[in-house]
Amino acid sequence: DAKTTQPPSMDCAEGRAANLPCNHSTISGNEYVYWYRQIHSQGPQYIIHGLKNNETNEMASLIITEDRKSSTLILPHATLRDTAVYYCIVRGNSGGSNYKLTFGKGTLLTVNP
Amino acid sequence: GAVVSQHPSRVICKSGTSVKIECRSLDFQATTMFWYRQFPKQSLMLMATSNEGSKATYEQGVEKDKFLINHASLTLSTLTVTSAHPEDSSFYICSAGPAWGNQPQHFGDGTRLSIL
Repeated sequence: DAKTTQPPSMDCAEGRAANLPCNHSTISGNEYVYWYRQIHSQGPQYIIHGLKNNETNEMASLIITEDRKSSTLILPHATLRDTAVYYCIVRGNSGGSNYKLTFGKGTLLTVNP
Repeated sequence: GAVVSQHPSRVICKSGTSVKIECRSLDFQATTMFWYRQFPKQSLMLMATSNEGSKATYEQGVEKDKFLINHASLTLSTLTVTSAHPEDSSFYICSAGPAWGNQPQHFGDGTRLSIL
């Protein structure tokens, strides 16, 4: 079972920031938070990941709460091409079964013109 | 550019045919690759972990004799769906990445398998 909870769907206006929440209240100390997105009929695309500090790259920002029980993925200026299912996944780094990516249902983000 | 290449992207074949899907890591050596299956309107489900030079590890409920996995080199894993039937029609996706550490896995573009 996925260890994360996400809203099933969200809408965002084109050009505005999209803030996608994720709850991971049972996250362990060595587990990272990963975000992927899947555009229809394609493989998932890696977006960003983090442990406890906020992270930013060319695609998005990741804000992780101090207690690490939740996080928010921020797409600063959403475009129509950002319409996709976004998956928040927690995963350890110690190999074995802890290394698997377990996908939940994700959030369908629809960016509207 | 893509770091994981998957081929073919689409297969349509008759029931009873065996189908082989290839997954290649392009920029790195992958001792571990993963195979997922995704049915319409559902999320990805991990089928098996492909280990270079050793047997694959299958998830509960996945038939190892039905879904043969070979990982003979550090850049190539293959999934063979043997004697495929219509219920095997699905979207098959592979991923690859370091087996340890926090670096992310990267996914192929998937293979749409349709069994008539």
